[in-house]
Amino acid sequence: QSALTQPRSVSGSPGQSVTISCTGTSSDVGGYNYVSWYQQHPGKAPKLMIYDVSKRPSGVPDRFSGSKSGNTASLTISGLQAEDEADYYCCSYAGSSPFVFGTGTKVTVL
Amino acid sequence: EVQLVESGGGLVQPGGSLRLSCAASGFTFSSYWMHWVRQAPGKGLVWVSRLNSDGSTTNYADSVKGRFTISRDNAKNTLYLQMNSLRAEDTAVYYCARGAVQGVVMRWFDPWGQGTLVTVSS
Repeated sequence: QSALTQPRSVSGSPGQSVTISCTGTSSDVGGYNYVSWYQQHPGKAPKLMIYDVSKRPSGVPDRFSGSKSGNTASLTISGLQAEDEADYYCCSYAGSSPFVFGTGTKVTVL
Repeated sequence: EVQLVESGGGLVQPGGSLRLSCAASGFTFSSYWMHWVRQAPGKGLVWVSRLNSDGSTTNYADSVKGRFTISRDNAKNTLYLQMNSLRAEDTAVYYCARGAVQGVVMRWFDPWGQGTLVTVSS
């Protein structure tokens, strides 16, 4: 099972919006509505930000939103804040595999 | 508060063995699937293994199949990962993470432990 493809880095100024893509195949992202997103600050454990493509756990700001079209999922951070600077990973259910993560994206707040 | 605390990491020689533990608290451990996910230094997250609530169903990534064994002791609220025939490429921080409630479709990981570092080197 190959890792899902994410851009290596994205950046934006405070208050702007950034979108991270996560491209897989019909066997993972495209085949199930089970994409989740995780935020990881340096030296820290990952934190769940989005599950089931677009649902937010309690406590996650509504600045974070998720979507999916075909084999590509996306995470959008609106109103970028300094504390959003971190690595972000998508993850998809993949049936028999059964989970595959993305390659990771570093978000930089300029 | 839901908490997961890993332990057991360290330096081991190639071909050696190590057992990781993950102590759970703050939730009904025996009702949840549990997972191990690893992250090599400077690299991304990789799913390793999962175990259902009563320990009867396991899955492994191809890279560790036949070498790693996941297990649990629900009386002790603890998840384990027995790692044998370790290779340099197994060097990583190993995280345990809570999965789905047994019988409910929940395809995500929340929360995660702080991780324990395993270094395979001579």
